Amino acid sequence: RKEVEQDPGPFNVPEGATVAFNCTYSNSASQSFFWYRQDCRKEPKLLMSVYSSGNEDGRFTAQLNRASQYISLLIRDSKLSDSATYLCVVNDYKLSFGAGTTVTVRA
Amino acid sequence: DVKVTQSSRYLVKRTGEKVFLECVQDMDHENMFWYRQDPGLGLRLIYFSYDVKMKEKGDIPEGYSVSREKKERFSLILESASTNQTSMYLCASKGGPGTGVFFNSPLHFGNGTRLTVT
Repeated sequence: RKEVEQDPGPFNVPEGATVAFNCTYSNSASQSFFWYRQDCRKEPKLLMSVYSSGNEDGRFTAQLNRASQYISLLIRDSKLSDSATYLCVVNDYKLSFGAGTTVTVRA
Repeated sequence: DVKVTQSSRYLVKRTGEKVFLECVQDMDHENMFWYRQDPGLGLRLIYFSYDVKMKEKGDIPEGYSVSREKKERFSLILESASTNQTSMYLCASKGGPGTGVFFNSPLHFGNGTRLTVT
C-alpha cells in the first residue's frame, strides 16, 4: 500500500461549483499535513496546512480525520484560476507526497 | 519570503556525463531536500540533509549523491547520467531542526530543473 494515496481525477467542474477530494495516509503516527497546489510545469506551492480541528482559508476548507486516516480539501465557488493539481503531503518525518488530484474548472 | 533558487531551469546532458544540480536557499533553513517528479509517480525523495555535511537517503537514492558543504547550498550529483534520470528535479528547504515546533513547518520549493539525458 502506498504511504499517501489520492484520487488522480481529473475533476472537471463548472465555474461556481463546489469540488472536494480526499487523501488517505497509511502511517497513523503522522504528525502534520499540508495541501500544495501545482500548476503545469511549475513547482508546488503551499496552499494550506491542515490542523486537527479543520481550517478554512477563503474558499478553501481542509479537514483531518485521524480515525479514518484521511485529509480532505473542499473548494467552494470554483474559479478558472483554481485549475491545477493539488498535492497532499503527510509529515511522518520524511514528508510523503501523494501523486496529486487534477482539478479543471471550465467556464 | 523564502527563496529557494535552482541554478538551471533546463538542462540537456549526454549519457555517462557527470551532472551537478545546485540549490541555494536564503532563509537559514536546516533541512534541505531533493525530489524528482515524474508523471503518474508524483514526487519521490532522493536525498535530504538536516544539517551541514549531513545527508540521509530518501526513497530512490541509487545513481545519485549529494553534497552540503554550506548551510545554504545543497547539491545533487548524478555520477554517470542515464536516460532513466530524465525528469523534473525539485529542491526544497524547511525551517528548524526537524523537531518541536519546526517539525510541522512546510516545505518551500525551488522552481525546478527539467533535466533531459540523451
